[in-house]
Amino acid sequence: DADVTQTPRNRITKTGKRIMLECSQTKGHDRMYWYRQDPGLGLRLIYYSFDVKDINKGEISDGYSVSRQAQAKFSLSLESAIPNQTALYFCATSRAGETGELFFGEGSRLTVL
Amino acid sequence: GQNIDQPTEMTATEGAIVQINCTYQTSGFNGLFWYQQHAGEAPTFLSYNVLDGLEEKGRFSSFLSRSKGYSYLLLKELQMKDSASYLCAVWSRGNNRLAFGKGNQVVVIP
Repeated sequence: DADVTQTPRNRITKTGKRIMLECSQTKGHDRMYWYRQDPGLGLRLIYYSFDVKDINKGEISDGYSVSRQAQAKFSLSLESAIPNQTALYFCATSRAGETGELFFGEGSRLTVL
Repeated sequence: GQNIDQPTEMTATEGAIVQINCTYQTSGFNGLFWYQQHAGEAPTFLSYNVLDGLEEKGRFSSFLSRSKGYSYLLLKELQMKDSASYLCAVWSRGNNRLAFGKGNQVVVIP
């Protein structure tokens, strides 16, 4: 079983719909992240959380929100999806401290029509 | 802010050596990381450098020069399974998070 699990893995939706992507981890890590990946643009950070009470904006947080319900769960919401939010979304975790060793989920491919 | 630059694509022959370069500009540098990403899959951690010099890990080595803002990943004895995108990422104290370059696609041919 994967240590970092994302659901759904694939989703097609329409403009204006609310979408939630969920991430859960069994690694016991404090830190969790949401990235999106677009061809030619690489991985860009949307939001990150260093513990249950901590939420931080990344480079491209507009149009997104997150919730850290527990140490093991970090969900990403698109309140009103738009076509340019079509992308591959990755959740990742890391240990506390200054570490760039991230453990990624398998990704959620979102298509907004 | 951070500026991370990598070439976009290269082709190499099975058994050969390939060097993937990465240049960066950042304040409060605290480590450079390399990830491998196969098509349609998640990135996986390969190596990291905090101090200047070469770190060797089997067929893969990574080099860092902090004064030049430069790193490279060296892949030796290339295998077909090494065909992937290689992502360079920088951790800086100021941002306290990892910023990725756009990745370099390596295609290994027989």
